[in-house]
Amino acid sequence: DIQMTQAPSTLSASVGDRVTITCRASRSITSWLAWYQQKPGKAPTLLIYKASSLESGVPSRFSGSGSGTEFTLTISSLQPDDFATYYCQQYNSIPYTFGQGTKLEIE
Amino acid sequence: QVQLVESGGGVVQPGRSLRLSCAVSGFTFSTYALHWVRQTPGKGLEWVAVISNDGSDKYYADSVKGRFTISRDNPNNTLYLQMSSLRVEDTAIYYCARQARGGGGTYSDYWGQGSLVTVSS
Repeated sequence: DIQMTQAPSTLSASVGDRVTITCRASRSITSWLAWYQQKPGKAPTLLIYKASSLESGVPSRFSGSGSGTEFTLTISSLQPDDFATYYCQQYNSIPYTFGQGTKLEIE
Repeated sequence: QVQLVESGGGVVQPGRSLRLSCAVSGFTFSTYALHWVRQTPGKGLEWVAVISNDGSDKYYADSVKGRFTISRDNPNNTLYLQMSSLRVEDTAIYYCARQARGGGGTYSDYWGQGSLVTVSS
């Protein structure tokens, strides 16, 4: 199985900050990576697919980059609605594994 | 709009069975592959199973293989997860999710609200 490791596990930041979350795969997944946002008590929602493609309706302050084994999710200017938990998921091969999540907290 | 609504969760004893359903609306059900994903506080998100649009292909996580069965009823726009020989570690919120089309790959673009399954004696 491909292991996905996110860093950091928790991130404290303020409105307006630029933040970056990293996701590392245990072996190459080319660009088959998605990013999801999850708020408490809700299902995950898709932000980014194929490492850097922005899902329709997602604000442009969200961006993704990377390929192979190293990926990043960047939020260019944090908004109050962005404080949530973020997960990466590889869909290169079954089983489609997730990172352990990064909780973005208000500083 | 796209909607996926899970049902069938509850409290069940170890070793027993339970069937989850996922009722879908807002898109042409028979043209999309569908997934089950579960979430526990301790292990986070875990992909469980996927079924192709016509039900001919099914794949499972090793942790549920041989115990869980994914199926679908295309005329009635419903996805199922039959869970047998349940274990305490199967306790989780179970989500159904639509596999995206276009853009390549097998990520999920819409998720249901989840159904809680608690396995406890």
